[in-house]
Amino acid sequence: AQSVTQPDIHITVSEGASLELRCNYSYGATPYLFWYVQSPGQGLQLLLKYFSGDTLVQGIKGFEAEFKRSQSSFNLRKPSVHWSDAAEYFCAVGPFGNEKLTFGTGTRLTIIP
Amino acid sequence: DAGVIQSPRHEVTEMGQEVTLRCKPISGHNSLFWYRQTMMRGLELLIYFNNNVPIDDSGMPEDRFSAKMPNASFSTLKIQPSEPRDSAVYFCASSLEQGQGLYFGPGTRLTVL
Repeated sequence: AQSVTQPDIHITVSEGASLELRCNYSYGATPYLFWYVQSPGQGLQLLLKYFSGDTLVQGIKGFEAEFKRSQSSFNLRKPSVHWSDAAEYFCAVGPFGNEKLTFGTGTRLTIIP
Repeated sequence: DAGVIQSPRHEVTEMGQEVTLRCKPISGHNSLFWYRQTMMRGLELLIYFNNNVPIDDSGMPEDRFSAKMPNASFSTLKIQPSEPRDSAVYFCASSLEQGQGLYFGPGTRLTVL
């Protein structure tokens, strides 16, 4: 069975500081990995995805994520956060060719001035 | 593109009443998904359709829940009778090609009193 763990429920970061959100997955084959962002009262927006190729993937809004197979991780990073990045972030895993994704429980990001 | 459209955005009803949630996927997308989001259980996949055909409804919690997709541009999720534990945010999402990720609607916040 596939599963996703986001160990940090809530993270607080100062504006302009760097950010790393952790995601660990469990999947029997080559995983198809995603990061989504959800602003309050909104739906989920796709930030980036990974299936194969370069293990460092770039997404929208200046985010990037690195796939590390040996650690079963797909951590999300941003070098300098902006107040508008405050939101909830979800990691998801699924099989390629089937969009039946399993989502993590999310990490809520708070930005302080 | 208008994105995935859901209606209503908010629904308050009394226990025992029938509730119908509606979704219009992005034009040209051939897969449609219904998710439920609660604090306790996070994001759960209820059912998904491919080319208007239900592929996997294993996430539908009970017979009180039913979903239809009569054509490529419209889907409904019905709860009859509704119960307080059905209170959640229900998201519809669509996708164009396998492996391209899901595009979520803004959600319907359902409150059953």
